[in-house]
Amino acid sequence: DTAVSQTPKYLVTQMGNDKSIKCEQNLGHDTMYWYKQDSKKFLKIMFSYNNKELIINETVPNRFSPKSPDKAHLNLHINSLELGDSAVYFCASSQESPGAPEAFFGQGTRLTVV
Amino acid sequence: KQEVTQIPAALSVPEGENLVLNCSFTDSAIYNLQWFRQDPGKGLTSLLLIQSSQREQTSGRLNASLDKSSGRSTLYIAASQPGDSATYLCAVGKGNTPLVFGKGTRLSVIA
Repeated sequence: DTAVSQTPKYLVTQMGNDKSIKCEQNLGHDTMYWYKQDSKKFLKIMFSYNNKELIINETVPNRFSPKSPDKAHLNLHINSLELGDSAVYFCASSQESPGAPEAFFGQGTRLTVV
Repeated sequence: KQEVTQIPAALSVPEGENLVLNCSFTDSAIYNLQWFRQDPGKGLTSLLLIQSSQREQTSGRLNASLDKSSGRSTLYIAASQPGDSATYLCAVGKGNTPLVFGKGTRLSVIA
């Protein structure tokens, strides 16, 4: 069973379109994240949700809107796609604890905007 | 603001060699450090998690060490194999805040 699963794995779309990426985790974790990996392979946090509540929103254009219908899902909707949005988007989850929670990542969604 | 640096950016070694990948971080107030492996076009696979109270973790041919006070971690790979070729990412965490990643070391093990 896949712990953190994202769909679709690949997404090719035209500029100006609106698209969504879905993420689900079956680990029972209460915190989920979206990361962006750019063309230079650098991973940066975009959003963090804890128990469906937005905790962290880094400097991300408001064309990106995460939505968490429940603790196990964190979807990413992107409006008016631009060429610069092309990247690999990773979903991750962890369990809040006083110690050191291990993060688990999905396989990534490679978004190509043409 | 936490910054994570990985050296070298790329490394090529012959099969069978032992090697060390380095990771340094600027803010030593971390809760954990995680090493990941990423194959081309693939996702991230967690290799080792070291909690701040630990000095090292081992899994098979991999050994990761952590020196919080100096802000350093190393990933030691023994008897490298071509299948070890991948990008290795170091990331530090603080509580339940998102991980901060380094830019990775791209490893090639030549048969």
